[in-house]
Amino acid sequence: EVQLVESGGGLVQPGGSLRLSCGASGFTFSNNWMYWVRQAPGKGLVWVSRIKGDGSTTSYADSVKGRFTISRDNAKNTLYLQMNSLRAEDTAVYYCAKTRDSTTYYSPFDYWGQGTLVTVSS
Amino acid sequence: DIVMTQSPDSLAVSLGERATINCKSSQSVLYSSNNKNYLGWYQQKPGQPPKLLIYWASTRESGVPDRFSGSGSGTDFTLTISSLQAEDVAVYYCHQYYTSPIAFGQGTRLEIK
Repeated sequence: EVQLVESGGGLVQPGGSLRLSCGASGFTFSNNWMYWVRQAPGKGLVWVSRIKGDGSTTSYADSVKGRFTISRDNAKNTLYLQMNSLRAEDTAVYYCAKTRDSTTYYSPFDYWGQGTLVTVSS
Repeated sequence: DIVMTQSPDSLAVSLGERATINCKSSQSVLYSSNNKNYLGWYQQKPGQPPKLLIYWASTRESGVPDRFSGSGSGTDFTLTISSLQAEDVAVYYCHQYYTSPIAFGQGTRLEIK
């Protein structure tokens, strides 16, 4: 059974940092593109970042470019999102998601984690 | 960037009746080389992550009830629930994965009338 479990969310002050983790099981993690998608309270879904299975290729939404860094440790089956210079508008539930087709990022997401809430406020 | 626009924003349908949700993309998401529409539909219930219902615009994900169906091509797509059940109350999102940045529609809230 595929499982994605996020952790690391919490309350942080503007300008602060946080690192999110997503533990994966039930599939060959190292083969799969992985995404972070966020959802502000009461709002819709927004893509944040993605990373190739071997970690060699990454991409970011313009809103987080230069502030967020996606990475993965395939030995630990874990995906990360390092978030720096956080702003109030980064407040959201952050989901990790796996692509249905492991070999391409042009794919829908067949499994999502439960999400972890990040609140940026003073 | 492709913009996805859903209509309506909210919808109330009686139990057992048909529900129809529309999604329009600002550019075609049909890839001519394989004749596939890079369009998916998700269901999100309160406090839960999204769940994939439909991909390639009309392919039902494994385990999804057959009352859910997707149609359309190019820029105009529809999610249909043929006979609404109480457990279908949720927000529904379309998703284009044709080009980067990927994009979701704003969501359609479906309620029981």
